[in-house]
Amino acid sequence: DIQMTQSPSSLSASVGDRVTITCRASETISDYLNWYQQKPGKAPKLLIYAASTLQSGVPSRFSGSGSGTDFTLTINSLQPEDFASYYCQQSYRTLYTFGQGTKLQIK
Amino acid sequence: QVQLVQSGAEVKRPGASVKVSCKASGYAFSTYGIAWVRQAPGQGLEWMGWISPYNGNTRYAQSFQGRATMTTDTSTSTVYMELNSLKSDDTAVYYCARLVGADRRWFDPWGQGTLVTVSS
Repeated sequence: DIQMTQSPSSLSASVGDRVTITCRASETISDYLNWYQQKPGKAPKLLIYAASTLQSGVPSRFSGSGSGTDFTLTINSLQPEDFASYYCQQSYRTLYTFGQGTKLQIK
Repeated sequence: QVQLVQSGAEVKRPGASVKVSCKASGYAFSTYGIAWVRQAPGQGLEWMGWISPYNGNTRYAQSFQGRATMTTDTSTSTVYMELNSLKSDDTAVYYCARLVGADRRWFDPWGQGTLVTVSS
């Protein structure tokens, strides 16, 4: 199976900050990489698919980049509603796997 | 709108089985696969497997092979996930999600989740 490793596991930031979350695959996955946001007690929500395509309705302060094994999720000008957990997920192989998650907390 | 609605919370004894349903609406049911993902309390997301309602083909994560069974009922646009030989560490919220995309694939939307508690 392809292993997905996110860093950091947790992150403290303030409203208005720019943050970056990294996801690394154990083998090359081209751009077969998605990002999800999850708030406490809620189902995950798709943010970005195919590494850099913003899902409809997602604010433009979210962006994704990368290809191969290294990917980033960037959030510009953090808003209060952005404090949540974020997960990457690969779809290069049909044994789909998630990263362990990054919890974004208010500083 | 596209919606996945899951069955309600379950409490089971160790060794028992649980069957969770996921009813789809708002799209052509057979056109998209349905995946199952679980989340233990305070933990991350764990992909379990997926099923194609079109032909019933399934793919399971190794850790669930032989213990999880995914089925579909096209007459009611419902997918089922049954997990056998439950253990206490199967306590988790179980989500279904529509599998979108032809080559690059992603999960959208997700069901609301079903809490399964395994306790003696």
